[in-house]
Amino acid sequence: ETGVTQTPRHLVMGMTNKKSLKCEQHLGHNAMYWYKQSAKKPLELMFVYSLEERVENNSVPSRFSPECPNSSHLFLHLHTLQPEDSALYLCASSQGRQGYEQYFGPGTRLTVT
Amino acid sequence: QKEVEQNSGPLSVPEGAIASLNCTYSDRVSQSFFWYRQYSGKSPELIMSIYSNGDKEDGRFTAQLNKASQYVSLLIRDSQPSDSATYLCAAEKTGANNLFFGTGTRLTVIP
Repeated sequence: ETGVTQTPRHLVMGMTNKKSLKCEQHLGHNAMYWYKQSAKKPLELMFVYSLEERVENNSVPSRFSPECPNSSHLFLHLHTLQPEDSALYLCASSQGRQGYEQYFGPGTRLTVT
Repeated sequence: QKEVEQNSGPLSVPEGAIASLNCTYSDRVSQSFFWYRQYSGKSPELIMSIYSNGDKEDGRFTAQLNKASQYVSLLIRDSQPSDSATYLCAAEKTGANNLFFGTGTRLTVIP
């Protein structure tokens, strides 16, 4: 595997389900990010992890819970989501404590029914 | 003022023409700028980064940074239909570990 991978690529879940999104980066980077992209809206930063420490939580509802067990893996745990949470969820990684160049995974298309 | 602003377009150019995409930024960003290309239904792909005032060329792409006027632009020469996508401008957030993204400009290259 190369670059940034995300699984699953597509997810349909009910409002009472619990699911997790997984991201893995193979670039040796030390910062990872979760973004949300809704239709016809700009990218929304959700969480930033640097050296496995959460450094930013962009006022995201608690039904989204991130986890970064090491510098290569990032999870987004989902529970009791709302239909308006349906979106493309993108993971990205970068090198260095500054933002620098971010490289994105292919995303997970989430539909909440 | 938003940190990074782009004209949402759409911008249409004929095949072979030069496409010019522009982005302005506020004082809340650092001096690192990036252009991403995003095809419909796909994730953003980094195509250019620029850190110094002036021009940076890579193949058919040229990024231009003007710090005095606080704008950054992307020129695509000899535009191809495959260049049709949304182009996102991004700038490093001062003192933080992330980027500000613009809303993107949708480019259509007409064969």
